[in-house]
Amino acid sequence: TQLLEQSPQFLSIQEGENLTVYCNSSSVFSSLQWYRQEPGEGPVLLVTVVTGGEVKKLKRLTFQFGDARKDSSLHITAAQPGDTGLYLCAGLRIQGAQKLVFGQGTRLTINP
Amino acid sequence: GAGVSQSPSNKVTEKGKDVELRCDPISGHTALYWYRQSLGQGLEFLIYFQGNSAPDKSGLPSDRFSAERTGGSVSTLTIQRTQQEDSAVYLCASSLAARHGYTFGSGTRLTVV
Repeated sequence: TQLLEQSPQFLSIQEGENLTVYCNSSSVFSSLQWYRQEPGEGPVLLVTVVTGGEVKKLKRLTFQFGDARKDSSLHITAAQPGDTGLYLCAGLRIQGAQKLVFGQGTRLTINP
Repeated sequence: GAGVSQSPSNKVTEKGKDVELRCDPISGHTALYWYRQSLGQGLEFLIYFQGNSAPDKSGLPSDRFSAERTGGSVSTLTIQRTQQEDSAVYLCASSLAARHGYTFGSGTRLTVV
């Protein structure tokens, strides 16, 4: 059983379209992070959200943490081919070992 | 160093042989993590070192896998008697604390033939 469920697992869209990726759990997290991984590289941290309801923007990417701190979303406006990659959400549990729990990832392909 | 360095970047080994994968974390990062990633899928947690505490080995898939971290810095992941199902990309990450995010290396691609 995956503690963090990401959906969709695969998404292929045309350049210029908008999209949303979801990261859901039944557990509460103290914070949630989003990473992007490109082929042949390790994941790179994009953003950390900490407060329930928090919204952070990174150019055309908008990240939101759910009010109950159990879920998060990543919205991309006017997707570009450079947005192509594997997007991973990762949560830090309130109690227990201080290590991130990763979702299974969303593989995003933006076609020119 | 400026980033997390992993070596080798690629390793091809014969089934049954032992392999050692190396991770050189960012200087000053007290936490070090090993993950395995198969075919571009999600990350499978293997082991976690935090300072001088006993490592969290809860993710190691079998007793053929072991890891050590010497002097609170460089870490080595050892896989004994490799099997074909061990083929994957092995990623190392370090951090000051998980809440600050991880910095990952580029990984070691292990192929067992």
